[in-house]
Amino acid sequence: GAGVSQSPRYKVAKRGQDVALRCDPISGHVSLFWYQQALGQGPEFLTYFQNEAQLDKSGLPSDRFFAERPEGSVSTLKIQRTQQEDSAVYLCASSPRGRETQYFGPGTRLLVL
Amino acid sequence: DAKTTQPNSMESNEEEPVHLPCNHSTISGTDYIHWYRQLPSQGPEYVIHGLTSNVNNRMASLAIAEDRKSSTLILHRATLRDAAVYYCILRVWNSGNTPLVFGKGTRLSVIA
Repeated sequence: GAGVSQSPRYKVAKRGQDVALRCDPISGHVSLFWYQQALGQGPEFLTYFQNEAQLDKSGLPSDRFFAERPEGSVSTLKIQRTQQEDSAVYLCASSPRGRETQYFGPGTRLLVL
Repeated sequence: DAKTTQPNSMESNEEEPVHLPCNHSTISGTDYIHWYRQLPSQGPEYVIHGLTSNVNNRMASLAIAEDRKSSTLILHRATLRDAAVYYCILRVWNSGNTPLVFGKGTRLSVIA
């Protein structure tokens, strides 16, 4: 079956631009996570949704980062006024209710110039 | 989540077994040991998990020390496609609504 998909796969933005990154989770998965992965590091948690409710946004690095999942399926991570330090791979993961395993998408590689 | 310690990198010859170690001396009784791996240019993928007993699946085996302070992920016959970063992660059971806490992992290189 279809896995988690993310788009775009690559995004180049000029400093100060706004970007929107999309995640399509596996159908029926209740939980959705966003992670940020800097070069050479492991992924770091940004935010978590259970259905449409954003239950944890403690990992968002600043108020320039905003995530939504309005209908409990597709999610969008928006970064306003991008900075060079926002350059990273942004990973989305989903999991079924009550299951431990998270299924990751391929990520969006963001480069801010 | 308790901390894990892994070597930064390891190297293996193709078709030989690989033993990837993980130390977790502060593990609690409710922590499960999970392994994920991340192939180049891909997101992490689940490999295996266990609590106390050794575990086997089609991808790998997990050997857990009797005191649970360390574990070893075993790839029985490394292939070039196993070249990846391997992450050892501790998770409390039934914590599906909490994020995974990744360290830097072990970068495995497989030599043909």
